[in-house]
Amino acid sequence: EDKVVQSPLSLVVHEGDTVTLNCSYEVTNFRSLLWYKQEKKAPTFLFMLTSSGIEKKSGRLSSILDKKELFSILNITATQTGDSAVYLCAVSIQGAQKLVFGQGTRLTINP
Amino acid sequence: DAGITQSPRHKVTETGTPVTLRCHQTENHRYMYWYRQDPGHGLRLIHYSYGVKDTDKGEVSDGYSVSRSKTEDFLLTLESATSSQTSVYFCAINSGGASDTQYFGPGTRLTVL
Repeated sequence: EDKVVQSPLSLVVHEGDTVTLNCSYEVTNFRSLLWYKQEKKAPTFLFMLTSSGIEKKSGRLSSILDKKELFSILNITATQTGDSAVYLCAVSIQGAQKLVFGQGTRLTINP
Repeated sequence: DAGITQSPRHKVTETGTPVTLRCHQTENHRYMYWYRQDPGHGLRLIHYSYGVKDTDKGEVSDGYSVSRSKTEDFLLTLESATSSQTSVYFCAINSGGASDTQYFGPGTRLTVL
């Protein structure tokens, strides 16, 4: 059974801190890994990673994939209250055109 | 804005009644998906479609059926709603091919009393 596990499930930090969110996976035929941010509405796309060791970066957010150890991390530096959200990790399965999602990490940034 | 709408946005119904949720896209994408989201479970795939009249089951399909008679519309039906189907339902689209990115609609909050 394809499985995606995120940790921690919940995280509370102060504004300005740096956070690291984790995503590990066990799937039959890996194709790519995606990160989404979900505030009080629909998930919005952040990154898609397909190759090991190549960092994707957007402002204060960055992510990297390790296909050997089957995990990805999402880093957020200099956090702001607007970063408070649920962060979802998903894995795309080769030949299936569908995603398997993790449970999500609820990040709360306190001022 | 990915050009996806869902209707209704909120619905309260009673156990045993049929319910149909609609997803409409303006992007002409081939793939459409229905997910449910519950606390502690992330997003779980109910059914998906890979073309008009072409659908397949996801991991939590029991109690749900779908139909896609036009490219732009994907309907999710609960034949006889149960309280365990109280959830937030999201529709998503994907253009297929080399793209794995799915774009989500605004969601429908369904409460079954």
